[in-house]
Amino acid sequence: AQKVTQAQTEISVVEKEDVTLDCVYETRDTTYYLFWYKQPPSGELVFLIRRNSFDEQNEISGRYSWNFQKSTSSFNFTITASQVVDSAVYFCALSGDAGGTSYGKLTFGQGTILTVHP
Amino acid sequence: ETGVTQSPTHLIKTRGQQVTLRCSSQSGHNTVSWYQQALGQGPQFIFQYYREEENGRGNFPPRFSGLQFPNYSSELNVNALELDDSALYLCASSQSTSLETQYFGPGTRLLVL
Repeated sequence: AQKVTQAQTEISVVEKEDVTLDCVYETRDTTYYLFWYKQPPSGELVFLIRRNSFDEQNEISGRYSWNFQKSTSSFNFTITASQVVDSAVYFCALSGDAGGTSYGKLTFGQGTILTVHP
Repeated sequence: ETGVTQSPTHLIKTRGQQVTLRCSSQSGHNTVSWYQQALGQGPQFIFQYYREEENGRGNFPPRFSGLQFPNYSSELNVNALELDDSALYLCASSQSTSLETQYFGPGTRLLVL
């Protein structure tokens, strides 16, 4: 069975602070995909990033960066110089690779509520 | 916006009733997945449809059923509604050749009284 754990239920920061959201996962699949989604108050899940398990390069996209460490089964997400518009619930998710029963089916963590104060 | 649409946006039903939720997938996508998100929780996978056939199911009872139409739009039907069915129901679409990335619609908020 797959499992995603986001230990931080809520994080509150002041604008311009850096913030890191933690994600730890469990899977028996040898290859898999990891995701981060953002859910603003409107409710729609917004896709942020997808990583393949065989690609451990970290990635930076503007103010966002992701640190994937297969050895510790972690896929952490950092927002640099946070802004009020970053306030949302952030979900980490996991999907198995092709051929596995969990292929294409996302397993989500519980989410982290991020509040950025002006 | 993802191009995935859902209707209705909100719905109130009473226990024991039946409900149908609808989803139109993004252009070019032939796979639709449905998720249930209870308040304060992460989304839970209900089932997935690929080319009008069910392609996997999560841990949901048979009173949750679905359909996919030739234009790849989809319906989620829930019979004999229970109070715990109150949730945000999310639809996601993806390309069959790229199932790994799913794009979500705005969801339908269902309240069962």
